Amino acid sequence: EVQLLESGGGLVQPGGSLRLSCAASGFTFSNYAMSWVRQAPGKGLEWVSAISGSDGGTYYADSVKGRFTISRDNSKSTLYLQMNSLRAEDTAVYYCAKQRWLQPIDSWGQGTLVTVSA
Amino acid sequence: EIVLTQSPGTLSLSPGERATLSCRSSQSTSSSFLAWYQQKPGQTPRLLIYGSSSRATGIPDRFSGSGSGTDFTLSISRLEPEDSAVYYCQQYGSSPTFGGGTKVEIK
Repeated sequence: EVQLLESGGGLVQPGGSLRLSCAASGFTFSNYAMSWVRQAPGKGLEWVSAISGSDGGTYYADSVKGRFTISRDNSKSTLYLQMNSLRAEDTAVYYCAKQRWLQPIDSWGQGTLVTVSA
Repeated sequence: EIVLTQSPGTLSLSPGERATLSCRSSQSTSSSFLAWYQQKPGQTPRLLIYGSSSRATGIPDRFSGSGSGTDFTLSISRLEPEDSAVYYCQQYGSSPTFGGGTKVEIK
C-alpha cells in the first residue's frame, strides 16, 4: 500500500523559512516523479513543484520560483520542499503527491499545514 | 502558464440527474494531459479521469470525460448523494495547473 507522510509544517513569520519532508513507502520511490500541491484554507488546488524520478529535473510554479526548492533522497525514499522568503499567501495545506512523469497524480499524502503569520 | 477556467462555480442538482462540468484552457491542451479529480470535504483529491476520457481504476462508468483543444467536459450521469464534492480539472504537462473547481451539490 502506497503511503506518503508529510511533516515539517507549522507557524512561521513572513520572510522565514521552513522545510517540508514527505516519507514514502509501498512503491519503488526512484521510479516515480513526485510533486507538491498546496491548498489554501477554503480554496482550490495549486500545483507548486515537481521533480522527476530519473534525472532529478525540477519544475516550479511561477508563484514560488526562486523561493522554494524541491529535492529528493532516493536512498531514504523521501521528498523535500525547502521554502524560503515565506509570504502570507503561502499559507496552505501542502500535499505530497506521487505520479509517473507526464501522468496524473495517483496518490496523495494527508498534507501538512503551513501558516505564515506575524 | 496554462490557465484552466472551470464553470459553473456551483452546480445544484437532484439525485438521478446529469451533471455537466466545463473546463476551458487558455491554450490548446493535448487531451492526453487532461485529468479530473474529485475532492470531498476533509479528504484528499481522488483521480477520476485521465487522458481526457479514460476512467481511473475503480471509477464507476457514471463518470465520463470528453473534449479536446481548449474545451473539456466531465459528465456525471445518474447523480448519487455521494457525488457531492468539488471537482477539479488539471493539465499535467511539464508545468501543471489546476482549474478553480466546480462544487456539485445534491439537493
